[in-house]
Amino acid sequence: GENVEQHPSTLSVQEGDSAVIKCTYSDSASNYFPWYKQELGKRPQLIIDIRSNVGEKKDQRIAVTLNKTAKHFSLHITETQPEDSAVYFCAANDSWGKFQFGAGTQVVVTP
Amino acid sequence: DGGITQSPKYLFRKEGQNVTLSCEQNLNHDAMYWYRQDPGQGLRLIYYSQIVNDFQKGDIAEGYSVSREKKESFPLTVTSAQKNPTAFYLCASSITETGRNEQYFGPGTRLTVT
Repeated sequence: GENVEQHPSTLSVQEGDSAVIKCTYSDSASNYFPWYKQELGKRPQLIIDIRSNVGEKKDQRIAVTLNKTAKHFSLHITETQPEDSAVYFCAANDSWGKFQFGAGTQVVVTP
Repeated sequence: DGGITQSPKYLFRKEGQNVTLSCEQNLNHDAMYWYRQDPGQGLRLIYYSQIVNDFQKGDIAEGYSVSREKKESFPLTVTSAQKNPTAFYLCASSITETGRNEQYFGPGTRLTVT
């Protein structure tokens, strides 16, 4: 089955700096890679996703890149703001339509 | 995600009691999922269903049961066989059509068993 590893587990950045979170996956059949943001006590919110037929996708200050050959994908947040502080999860689908999630990255943006 | 509701938000039970968590969606999604989240942990799949009257075990199904009698509803029962049931439970749903499988989450139920 699919296995997703996520690094780092915690990430502290100064406001205005960039943050990068990396994930690797094992199933070469995976073709959909979403990223979720979860604030304390809240539900995970889909913030950006990428499909296997593209290498990069941007939405304002966030971007996701995918390297299918190496089986890894990354989330990039530029010009970080205090409201970016949250836990971020990556995920990958499998051939059964299920999702395997990474363990999460706690991002702390300090003013 | 506003179309997925879970109730109640907080639930307290005594050890040895079964408890059922509700999940309803009005998004006309075919697939529904139950996840468990423990403090500082990721999301672990309990059960999922891709069509009415059919469901499959996820990674941690022991001590849980589900039903899918209606497309809109996917209740989860936490039985007394679940050894450590205290956790945050999240329901999700998605379309199963290829290329449109974004998954959206409900607000969650925080279950405490003492």
